[in-house]
Amino acid sequence: TQLLEQSPQFLSIQEGENLTVYCNSSSVFSSLQWYRQEPGEGPVLLVTVVTGGEVKKLKRLTFQFGDARKDSSLHITAAQPGDTGLYLCAGAFPPGNTGKLIFGQGTTLQVKP
Amino acid sequence: NAGVTQTPKFQVLKTGQSMTLQCAQDMNHNSMYWYRQDPGMGLRLIYYSASEGTTDKGEVPNGYNVSRLNKREFSLRLESAAPSQTSVYFCASSATGTVNTGELFFGEGSRLTVL
Repeated sequence: TQLLEQSPQFLSIQEGENLTVYCNSSSVFSSLQWYRQEPGEGPVLLVTVVTGGEVKKLKRLTFQFGDARKDSSLHITAAQPGDTGLYLCAGAFPPGNTGKLIFGQGTTLQVKP
Repeated sequence: NAGVTQTPKFQVLKTGQSMTLQCAQDMNHNSMYWYRQDPGMGLRLIYYSASEGTTDKGEVPNGYNVSRLNKREFSLRLESAAPSQTSVYFCASSATGTVNTGELFFGEGSRLTVL
């Protein structure tokens, strides 16, 4: 059974602080996606990483895919209250990859003004 | 601007009752999915359909059945609801038959309570 471990599960910080969320597995991903979910809504895609070692930036968010494609991280610089939400990583596993995307447990982020 | 539409948004059932959650997408996507979301457990895949006419089990299929009625619609049925099925259910779709680079588009969720 593939398993994605996300940490931390909860994070409460002050506006302006930096933070990092981790997503780890014992299996190799064929790709990894990060989603953000607000209360009462479905998750919305932030980024997809495919290549080992890949780094992608989305404004103050930096996403990194591990060289071995078993882990990923999301770093937020100077967090703002608007960053509050549930962050989910989701991995697509080989072989075949006929459409299954497995999610981590999620990280609930609260940014206080 | 509908995207993925789920009905109903809220439902309360008694143990043993049956119900069907409906999902429709208007993006001409090939693949559709049903997930459940419980506190501290992220999203767990119940069933998915990589293309019209095919369905496959996900991580937690027990107690559920699905039907891919056509390319647009993918329904989830609970034949005999149990309190353990109290959850928020999300339907999603993606354009590609694989998820290597395909984005999932989610509905707003259906909150189900089983008493």
